[in-house]
Amino acid sequence: DAKTTQPTSMDCAEGRAANLPCNHSTISGNEYVYWYRQIHSQGPQYIIHGLKNNETNEMASLIITEDRKSSTLILPHATLRDTAVYYCIVGVDSNYQLIWGAGTKLIIKP
Amino acid sequence: DAEITQSPRHKITETGRQVTLACHQTWNHNNMFWYRQDLGHGLRLIHYSYGVHDTNKGEVSDGYSVSRSNTEDLPLTLESAASSQTSVYFCASSESQDLAYEQYFGPGTRLTVT
Repeated sequence: DAKTTQPTSMDCAEGRAANLPCNHSTISGNEYVYWYRQIHSQGPQYIIHGLKNNETNEMASLIITEDRKSSTLILPHATLRDTAVYYCIVGVDSNYQLIWGAGTKLIIKP
Repeated sequence: DAEITQSPRHKITETGRQVTLACHQTWNHNNMFWYRQDLGHGLRLIHYSYGVHDTNKGEVSDGYSVSRSNTEDLPLTLESAASSQTSVYFCASSESQDLAYEQYFGPGTRLTVT
């Protein structure tokens, strides 16, 4: 089972920052937090990952709390093309592979 | 540009038929994966391969098989299709077994078993 809890859906206005929360209270010390997104009818797309420190790339920023029990993915200036399901992934299965939950459906509104 | 492709994009088949879904990548990645995604759910791993002639079972491998005869291709075979295998299937590849390396996904194959 997925080790993360995410809201089922969220709205955000175009041009605003979209902040997507993720709870992972049972995260282990060496487990990373990964974020992928899936635009409708497409394959998932990698966004970012982190361990302890905050991370930023051209797509997004990842803020991880000091106790590592939660994190927030930030899309600084959301556009309509950011409408997608966003998956926060923590932990691996017995095959050392990612465990995918149901994600958050983010809708960007004009 | 390197890419990962899947074919067919849509397939309708009958219960009991054998079906093969193709996956081809030009990234020259050693690692390839097959997932299924059911409506409203995340991805579940079916099989994966870390290189030529290497195959491994994932979380939901029953009723599926794969073979890896070259770097570029990892076909997924449903031995005897069942209605429970109606799903969207995604293939992915990755440069490294390290999960920090992103997986590149194909566009998916929508399979309907009637």
